[in-house]
Amino acid sequence: DIQMTQSPSSLSTSVGDRVTITCRASQSISSYLNWYQQKPGKAPNLLIYAASSLQSGVPSRFSGSGSGTDFTLTISSLQPEDFASYYCQQTYSSPLTFGGGTKVEIK
Amino acid sequence: VQLQESGPGLVKPSGTLSLTCAVSGGSISSSNWWTWVRQPPGKGLEWIGEIYHSGSTNYNPSLKSRVTISVDKSKNQFSLKLSSVTAADTAVYYCTRDPTSSSWTHNWFDPWGQGTLVTVSS
Repeated sequence: DIQMTQSPSSLSTSVGDRVTITCRASQSISSYLNWYQQKPGKAPNLLIYAASSLQSGVPSRFSGSGSGTDFTLTISSLQPEDFASYYCQQTYSSPLTFGGGTKVEIK
Repeated sequence: VQLQESGPGLVKPSGTLSLTCAVSGGSISSSNWWTWVRQPPGKGLEWIGEIYHSGSTNYNPSLKSRVTISVDKSKNQFSLKLSSVTAADTAVYYCTRDPTSSSWTHNWFDPWGQGTLVTVSS
């Protein structure tokens, strides 16, 4: 199985800050990497697919980069509605696996 | 496409968990992997398995011996059965879609159902 390691597991930050979350795969997954946002009591929502493509309707302050084993999700200027948990996911090989999540909290 | 899970919210230990996902706004016979994901309370996401419109299935090896996913084309829905459940199977269960055009590849999960909490308890 491909292990996905996210860091940090949580972070406290302020509105307007730039936020970077990293995801590392245990082996190369090319660009088969997706990012999801999940708010409490809600289903995950696709933000970024194929490492760097912005899902339709997602604000442009979200961006993704990376390939191979190292990936990054960046929020350029954090907004109040962005306080949530974020998960990376690899779809390179089965079983499909998720990172452990990053909880973004208000400082 | 919209997805909606349904099924019992309480299952007894050693019993079988059965959930259905109704698909609206699209055909379950279209080229997608129809997928189940679960999330224990306060924890992360776990892929359970998937079924292609052709009937091909893939399951998480950690659950494979207990999982069956099937499709009912006449009702435009797919289902999950998980047998011999324990408290460790208590989770919110989500159905979702992987919009791949080939059964050999995977893309991403979108959209998702709202999720349904299943508690395993006597």
